[in-house]
Amino acid sequence: AQTVTQSQPEMSVQEAETVTLSCTYDTSESDYYLFWYKQPPSRQMILVIRQEAYKQQNATENRFSVNFQKAAKSFSLKISDSQLGDAAMYFCAYRSGGGADGLTFGKGTHLIIQP
Amino acid sequence: DTEVTQTPKHLVMGMTNKKSLKCEQHMGHRAMYWYKQKAKKPPELMFVYSYEKLSINESVPSRFSPECPNSSLLNLHLHALQPEDSALYLCASSFDRDSIEAFFGQGTRLTVV
Repeated sequence: AQTVTQSQPEMSVQEAETVTLSCTYDTSESDYYLFWYKQPPSRQMILVIRQEAYKQQNATENRFSVNFQKAAKSFSLKISDSQLGDAAMYFCAYRSGGGADGLTFGKGTHLIIQP
Repeated sequence: DTEVTQTPKHLVMGMTNKKSLKCEQHMGHRAMYWYKQKAKKPPELMFVYSYEKLSINESVPSRFSPECPNSSLLNLHLHALQPEDSALYLCASSFDRDSIEAFFGQGTRLTVV
């Protein structure tokens, strides 16, 4: 079974600064996908960024980028120029590439943005 | 339309009640999912429907009964729930089971009294 670990229950960053959220995972599969989801108080899970395991290049979406270290099974999220609207729970998630058995989520990191 | 719509947004029910949660999408997605999220915990997969057929049931108690009457609609029928079943119930959909991206609804906050 796959496991996803987020070791930071809470992180705080000043507005406009950069913050990195950590995620490690454990799997014996070679084909899989990794995601960062954001869950604001509105409760809806919003996809922030995704990474295909077969791609060596780190994914980037505007102010969000990942550092994907496949050998180390590490998948961190960097948020640049943090904004107040970035405040939310951030979940790292894993999905097997061999068929959609749903997502396995880490426990989440609560990100606080200090104005 | 990239929305997954869940109703109701909030629900309070007694342990002897029968209620249903509804999830609807009009994106032509053929895979739909129910997740349960307890307070301050990550979502946990409950059920997966693929082409209106139940393909995964993650050992969920029978007091939760899913139904997929058509490709746009997913229901979760609730009966004889326990207070520990109080949680946020999230619905998601994807184009099919092999699609990478899943779209989530805003969830139904369920309280069992």
